[in-house]
Amino acid sequence: EIILTQSPGTLSLSPGERATLSCRASQSISSSYLAWYQQKPGQAPRLLIYGASSRATGIPDRFSGSGSGTDFTLTISRLEPEDFAVYYCQQYVTSPPSLTFGGGTKVEIK
Amino acid sequence: EVQLLESGGGLVQPGGSLRLSCSASGFTFSSYTMTWVRQVPGKGLEWVSLINGRGGITYYADSVKGRFTISRDNSKNTLYLEMNSLRAEDTAVYYCAKHIRISVWHFDLWGRGTLVTVSS
Repeated sequence: EIILTQSPGTLSLSPGERATLSCRASQSISSSYLAWYQQKPGQAPRLLIYGASSRATGIPDRFSGSGSGTDFTLTISRLEPEDFAVYYCQQYVTSPPSLTFGGGTKVEIK
Repeated sequence: EVQLLESGGGLVQPGGSLRLSCSASGFTFSSYTMTWVRQVPGKGLEWVSLINGRGGITYYADSVKGRFTISRDNSKNTLYLEMNSLRAEDTAVYYCAKHIRISVWHFDLWGRGTLVTVSS
């Protein structure tokens, strides 16, 4: 099973600042199979980025994804008040079928 | 409106059974692979199971294999998760989610979740 390790566990920033979140895989994965989600308290996750760098429908362009192999990054260029939340990366492989999430990074207001 | 709505959660004793349902609306349900994901309150996300559009292909996480069964009724636009031999560690909020498209295992629509509590 591929393990995804997210860092840092918590990121304390102010509105307007840039946020850089890391997701490291225990083995190389296809960038096509890496996604990022945002989750706010009491809500379901929301897809932000899929295929490592493609924004989902309706996602503002301040969110961007990059990376390949084992190292992937979610960048929020300028934090808005509504961006303070927990972020998860997710990967899958189809043979044998497996799907895992990272442990999450909480972006909190400093 | 495009949405998913889970139901069927509740309190069940260890060793018991429960069936979750997920009602879909606003999209062509039969065209999409569907998934169940669970989350222990305050913890991370864990994928549970998926089923393809026609219902002929299913996959399970090792943690639930042999105990949980995923199914769907496309005539009713409904996804199911039959959970047997429940354990305390199955306690979680269970979400159903829609895959972006065939053969892509990322999820662009989620329900609000239903809480399953396994306790005596």
